[in-house]
Order: sequence, then structure tokens, then C-alpha cells
Amino acid sequence: EAGVAQSPRYKIIEKRQSVAFWCNPISGHATLYWYQQILGQGPKLLIQFQNNGVVDDSQLPKDRFSAERLKGVDSTLKIQPAKLEDSAVYLCASSLALSGSGELFFGEGSRLTVL
Amino acid sequence: AQSVTQPDIHITVSEGASLELRCNYSYGATPYLFWYVQSPGQGLQLLLKYFSGDTLVQGIKGFEAEFKRSQSSFNLRKPSVHWSDAAEYFCAVGAQAAGNKLTFGGGTRVLVKP
Repeated sequence: EAGVAQSPRYKIIEKRQSVAFWCNPISGHATLYWYQQILGQGPKLLIQFQNNGVVDDSQLPKDRFSAERLKGVDSTLKIQPAKLEDSAVYLCASSLALSGSGELFFGEGSRLTVL
Repeated sequence: AQSVTQPDIHITVSEGASLELRCNYSYGATPYLFWYVQSPGQGLQLLLKYFSGDTLVQGIKGFEAEFKRSQSSFNLRKPSVHWSDAAEYFCAVGAQAAGNKLTFGGGTRVLVKP
């Protein structure tokens, strides 16, 4: 079974530029999550989707971050304009459904460096 | 609101020695509890999970964890550490009532001495 796929793995940009990250969850997983992991910290939830609807985006800095999951499968996370403090690893995860075992499966992450 | 505390930022252990990583959580109802491991440059891999039932949970790679409701703890243990266990370990709490999203602790980095 294929795991959660993310791209790009690494991205370096200058502040005020824009960047987009892509995630393809495990086939059949209805719930998709984007987490931000700053160096030395645990992952922090940015946004949670159930199919193509947003369940929780309370921690998403909406002035610069946006995310979509238009067809309820893959998802894109965008940052525009980027700030220095956005340097982090962006982890995508998926799970079967909102209810159930609650186990999340993670991709390898996209590492962003903002100069 | 859910929260997780991992009191130890770094732990150094000799190969073959035992390991215990501490995790304390805060949540009003019965939580789901998880331990994930992250090797450098990699994503998070699930070691074990607790949902209900037996409070001693066995996981992969020889790890186990014990849920203690009275102490709000879910400590991770391994009797004999291998050099390949050097990594960062994250405890997480989730709940069905919270849409199964996980709240993570700050992590504990484990260094293994030969």
C-alpha cells in the first residue's frame, strides 16, 4: 500500500515570496491534515479536512496561509507571502475517517527554508 | 483543550541499557494516546497506541507503554536499547470527540552511546 506522498521535499525561498506544497493521502482516507513542525518542536496542526470540507482551521494563519482539497483527494498548502518564521517542515497526514481508531499516517514532509 | 508535556528534551542512554520516556497529558475525557518516532529527515512513524482496555500496550521495535489514568501519564519503555533507536520521540493525544486530530508534545531526543 502506498503511503502519504508529499512534494517537494525541500524548498528554499526568500521572504515575501510564495510557495506551495502538495500532498496525496493514502487511497481511501477521507481525512487529511497539514501540520507545521518548527525545528526542535512537536508538530502543530494547521488544518484538517474531511473529504473536501474544512473541519478545523483555527490554527491556520489565514492572512498568509491557504489550503484546499478540491476533489477530496490530494491537497495543496500555500504560503504567500512567506516570512522568516515560516521556516519549518510541513507534514501531511491522513486517516480513514473522523471517527474510528484515530491513527494518522504521515508523509515524509516538505522542508521549507525562508531566507 | 488537549495538551501534552514531555519533560525531558534530551536523554542519553548506553546501548543495551533500558529506556523510559515520560509523557503527561491533559484532557477531560478518555483520550487516545500515541507514541511516534521520527528519524532525521523522515516523517513520523507510529510505535504504539492506546484506545481502551489493557493499560500496558505493546508496540513495534520492542517498545511498550503504560497508561496510568490517575497520573495522566503514558510513559514509553524499552528494556534494551539498540543504536538504531537514536531518534526523536513524540507523544500525542487525540480524541474522537475532537475529530481525531492529534496534539503533540515537544518531543524527546534520544542519543545512544556505544
